[in-house]
Amino acid sequence: DAGVIQSPRHEVTEMGQEVTLRCKPISGHNSLFWYRQTMMRGLELLIYFNNNVPIDDSGMPEDRFSAKMPNASFSTLKIQPSEPRDSAVYFCASSGRALRSEQYFGPGTRLTVT
Amino acid sequence: AQTVTQSQPEMSVQEAETVTLSCTYDTSESNYYLFWYKQPPSRQMILVIRQEAYKQQNATENRFSVNFQKAAKSFSLKISDSQLGDTAMYFCAFMSVGGSEKLVFGKGTKLTVNP
Repeated sequence: DAGVIQSPRHEVTEMGQEVTLRCKPISGHNSLFWYRQTMMRGLELLIYFNNNVPIDDSGMPEDRFSAKMPNASFSTLKIQPSEPRDSAVYFCASSGRALRSEQYFGPGTRLTVT
Repeated sequence: AQTVTQSQPEMSVQEAETVTLSCTYDTSESNYYLFWYKQPPSRQMILVIRQEAYKQQNATENRFSVNFQKAAKSFSLKISDSQLGDTAMYFCAFMSVGGSEKLVFGKGTKLTVNP
């Protein structure tokens, strides 16, 4: 199995630009999570989907952030417009029905907004 | 809301020795999962060990074991025969059973294994 795939691995953009992060979960998994990691706040959940439906988006910081999951094998996290304080590592994770509690993480996307 | 506290920002240990990382949590729920994740310099998050709160037996995975004290809300990780490859950030995490599937993480402990 290829594991959770994220792209890009690194993204550098200027303030005000739109940023789109992509995630492909492990095949057969039905839950998908977006986490953000910063020095100040640590690891925190932004949003998660179950069967492609957003279940908990309480961690989404503001309207500049949006996430979609159009099908079981793809999700995007979009920031528009981006700000320097959005600089962080963004992780995607997925879990399956059989062992719901075990989340498998992708390699993360390091985002730098200048 | 659940909180997870790791009181040791950094620790070090000599190769082949044993080290214990501490974690405490706060919750009003009776059933939940607890985890330790490892994040090496590559930044990949790797699940080390999982404990279900309703199981009294402490989980073990090879050189990794936990000391789960439910009444004290304590969940420590013991690494035996430490290896250089164990050098990493270690995160303790909490998940409800039957509620939100989100993981609530502690701030992490940076472990360095010295040769």
